[in-house]
Amino acid sequence: SQQGEEDPQALSIQEGENATMNCSYKTSINNLQWYRQNSGRGLVHLILIRSNEREKHSGRLRVTLDTSKKSSSLLITASRAADTASYFCATIAYSGAGSYQLTFGKGTKLSVIP
Amino acid sequence: EAGVAQSPRYKIIEKRQSVAFWCNPISGHATLYWYQQILGQGPKLLIQFQNNGVVDDSQLPKDRFSAERLKGVDSTLKIQPAKLEDSAVYLCASSPGLTAYEQYFGPGTRLTVT
Repeated sequence: SQQGEEDPQALSIQEGENATMNCSYKTSINNLQWYRQNSGRGLVHLILIRSNEREKHSGRLRVTLDTSKKSSSLLITASRAADTASYFCATIAYSGAGSYQLTFGKGTKLSVIP
Repeated sequence: EAGVAQSPRYKIIEKRQSVAFWCNPISGHATLYWYQQILGQGPKLLIQFQNNGVVDDSQLPKDRFSAERLKGVDSTLKIQPAKLEDSAVYLCASSPGLTAYEQYFGPGTRLTVT
């Protein structure tokens, strides 16, 4: 089952604007990751935030995590046409028997208009 | 560093036929995953291998899906017989260890069942 739910499902912005995507999840997690998927391609890992962190930066990306609200947000600043892709949050939780499971949300489809 | 390789990239079959997908992970990565991604949704984990042993296959429809990892390196995923609802992109991913903190995805195989 899908653990995370991204919001909005689709987002269209002009180049240079900021894009914010939100993710909510249901159960306790060890950490949360964001991935990008360009059309017709595999997923690329963007950033990981641990459950004891509240904010993390990587280049033009800023991720926040609120474990009390079970939510995370991804902010892309100064967007570029190349940022056009689908963005997924993925939660990692211990699934027993010494293994961890990665569970993806449905994703936000971002379109950046040149 | 070579990425995760998958073949074929596209496959069209009729329902009740069989199909097999192949994955070659990044060299040295102990953990390998197969995901199913239905159009408009996030990837769903089907099976996770640690070396050549199965760690988690709880979401694999075992009546028709099977997977193996040969000598802890390459892996094949088979569907027999295929149903219309199996139409999806099948993604293979690998990671260096069991904790799955960062996964590296292949380009996927797009399966269409008619």
